[in-house]
Amino acid sequence: KQEVTQIPAALSVPEGENLVLNCSFTDSAIYNLQWFRQDPGKGLTSLLLIQSSQREQTSGRLNASLDKSSGRSTLYIAASQPGDSATYLCAVMNPPPWGNQFYFGTGTSLTVIP
Amino acid sequence: DTGVSQDPRHKITKRGQNVTFRCDPISEHNRLYWYRQTLGQGPEFLTYFQNEAQLEKSRLLSDRFSAERPKGSFSTLEIQRTEQGDSAMYLCASSPVQGSYEQYFGPGTRLTVT
Repeated sequence: KQEVTQIPAALSVPEGENLVLNCSFTDSAIYNLQWFRQDPGKGLTSLLLIQSSQREQTSGRLNASLDKSSGRSTLYIAASQPGDSATYLCAVMNPPPWGNQFYFGTGTSLTVIP
Repeated sequence: DTGVSQDPRHKITKRGQNVTFRCDPISEHNRLYWYRQTLGQGPEFLTYFQNEAQLEKSRLLSDRFSAERPKGSFSTLEIQRTEQGDSAMYLCASSPVQGSYEQYFGPGTRLTVT
């Protein structure tokens, strides 16, 4: 069974700082990895998806990288803003036909201080 | 694209009552997933549909839980004889059957069992 770990569990940074969130997974034979943002009491918003053949994906101030062989992904947030405050979740999917669910980490709670 | 919708957004019920939640996926998406999320945890997989066929069920889905997707469009999740341990956020997601299997989540239904 795939196990996903996110470190740190919580992070507090001043506005404008660059930061890195970490995600590790136990089974490197993944199909894809997706990063999500979740605001308190809300659903999940997709940020970036990296397929197993890719090394990284970028969207605006966000950059996600994937190292399958070491079972790791990082989410880099540049020039953080108070609006970035949320919980960030990473999830991995195993290859079809077994890839019918995401395995989630417990998230990193980010607070950006104005 | 109106996104994934869920109804109701909040449900408070007394222990022992039955509840039913509805999920409307993105219209062209064949795959539909249900997850459960408790406070401070990442979402946990419950069940998965491809069109109207329920192809996978988690061991978390006890006999009191049943899910349907009768016409391959919307889905319902019913919990019978609710228990306090059922209190959680119930999340629905959908994805297209081709491509990256990127999942798009709805806003969730918050269930509180008193």
